[in-house]
Order: sequence, then structure tokens, then C-alpha cells
Amino acid sequence: DTEVTQTPKHLVMGMTNKKSLKCEQHMGHRAMYWYKQKAKKPPELMFVYSYEKLSINESVPSRFSPECPNSSLLNLHLHALQPEDSALYLCASSQGTGSDQPQHFGDGTRLSIL
Amino acid sequence: GESVGLHLPTLSVQEGDNSIINCAYSNSASDYFIWYKQESGKGPQFIIDIRSNMDKRQGQRVTVLLNKTVKHLSLQIAATQPGDSAVYFCAENGSTGFQKLVFGTGTRLLVSP
Repeated sequence: DTEVTQTPKHLVMGMTNKKSLKCEQHMGHRAMYWYKQKAKKPPELMFVYSYEKLSINESVPSRFSPECPNSSLLNLHLHALQPEDSALYLCASSQGTGSDQPQHFGDGTRLSIL
Repeated sequence: GESVGLHLPTLSVQEGDNSIINCAYSNSASDYFIWYKQESGKGPQFIIDIRSNMDKRQGQRVTVLLNKTVKHLSLQIAATQPGDSAVYFCAENGSTGFQKLVFGTGTRLLVSP
């Protein structure tokens, strides 16, 4: 079992809906990440929260909005998504912000946009 | 390994064989490498990591080898089991930009009984 918990596991939504993905970790990690993964592809980084400070992948559209209520929680707010946004959304965390630390992943939310 | 289009490179082995999964990394400045295992319907699972001051590291049934001269990383799995069937990703930390870890394209390991 993963120590990074993501909910829901599956989500189907229309293009006009607003929904949120949730992620929680209790390992005391200070960096949390959102990734998008399409089938048969590696994960692509969307956002990083490092000590609750946000870094953004400039290529991610504004219909994705991250939120970090505290160091253990990470949300991804979704609004007016497109069919091409259907993918597996993965949350990860790492102990610190250095690039020489492993990231630990949750099992993801499988998102389908109708 | 490299993938072409939507096809993942695939390694097929028999149960009990040793498996070797290869990865060519791109950035000579990378000094930290990770192997992840991703089973169907799950997120990537950390297997083993290695820093550039080492050329070999062993875990339980797994060994990672690092050849910095040719920028090559490999994962060896001893006595492969059906439960090892998954997609394996290598990752390196050599990006100077936003992405802390850069993932390889992945290799599918199929283990038949």
C-alpha cells in the first residue's frame, strides 16, 4: 500500500463541471507534486509545492488549479476540462526539495472527460 | 530503452530467469538516478536509487548498475517472478529547469510462468 493517498480513484466529468482531486501524505514530507500521465507514457510534472510555495509548469493550462491547504494535503481543482485532459493524475511527495531525493507516488485518479 | 510512437519496448522472460532492463540517460550533469515500477492501475513505486559516486547498488533481488562514461543505467532483477510484470521507468535529476526528475520512456516487463 502506498503512503500517499489519492481520492477519488476514478472520476468521470463533463466539460462544464467543476471537481477536485485530493492527495494526502503523513510522512512529514515538505514537497508535493502533481503529475499527469497518459497511457504508455511517463509521468509529466504539472505543479510542485515546496514548503507550501508553488512552482508551475508553464505549459499547464489554467483550467487546472492546485491548492496546498497544509504540508500534508494537496488538491487539484478542475474546471472546464477538455477531452484531451483525460489521463491518470498522480500525486507524489518527497522529504525535501532537493533533486537527489526519491519521490513517492500515490496510485492516482483516473480522470475521464466526456 | 527508447520507444517509437505509442509502443513501449517490451522484455519477455520466463519465471525464474534474471531480467536486465536498460536505460540511456541524456544529461551528463545528472548525479542521481531512480528506478520505478508501475503496475497496471497503480502509481509508480520506488524500487532503488543510486548516486553518481557509486557504480553499483543492490537491494532485495534487484541491482542497479551505473555507467557514467556511456550514460547508461540498468536494473537487474534476479529470479524474476510473475509479480514483477510491470512497466519500469528510470529517472534522472539532471534537469536545470522546472522538472526535478526526468523520466525515461519506460520498458514493459512480461514474465510468463
